[in-house]
Amino acid sequence: GENVEQHPSTLSVQEGDSAVIKCTYSDSASNYFPWYKQELGKGPQLIIDIRSNVGEKKDQRIAVTLNKTAKHFSLHITETQPEDSAVYFCAASNRGGADGLTFGKGTHLIIQP
Amino acid sequence: DVKVTQSSRYLVKRTGEKVFLECVQDMDHENMFWYRQDPGLGLRLIYFSYDVKMKEKGDIPEGYSVSREKKERFSLILESASTNQTSMYLCASSSLTATIYGYTFGSGTRLTVV
Repeated sequence: GENVEQHPSTLSVQEGDSAVIKCTYSDSASNYFPWYKQELGKGPQLIIDIRSNVGEKKDQRIAVTLNKTAKHFSLHITETQPEDSAVYFCAASNRGGADGLTFGKGTHLIIQP
Repeated sequence: DVKVTQSSRYLVKRTGEKVFLECVQDMDHENMFWYRQDPGLGLRLIYFSYDVKMKEKGDIPEGYSVSREKKERFSLILESASTNQTSMYLCASSSLTATIYGYTFGSGTRLTVV
């Protein structure tokens, strides 16, 4: 089955700086790569996703890049703000998530004031 | 506001008890999922369902079963709770084409088995 590795497990950045979280996946058939943000006491919430026919996608301060050859994808957050502090999960699926997503172990992002 | 509701936020059960975790969604979604979340392990898929009365095993189904008698409701059952099932349980739902809107998660049930 699919295996998703996520790094780092904890990331501390100064407010206003950029943050990058990286994931690798094992199944070359995977074609859907979402990112979820989980705030304390809440369930994960989708923040951005990318499909295998696209190399990069951007939504305001958040961007995701995908390298299919290397089987890795990354989340980039620019101009970080205190409300970006949360746990971020990457995930992968070969059926668009219809039969479940395989998640990475998560990255605790801490924004230092 | 569309949502997934999990019946209990916190639950404490004794070893050997039969435990029911309930999840209800109001989005008319076809797919529903149960995950458990443990520190350092991320989210792991237990079971999922495409439709009423249908169920499929995820990555860690041992010790669990599920029931989906109505489209909006998906129950996770621990037949005989054990201490290693102490965890945060998350329910999620999605439309058939999950890539359009992604998964909607509930807030979770933190289960402690003593």
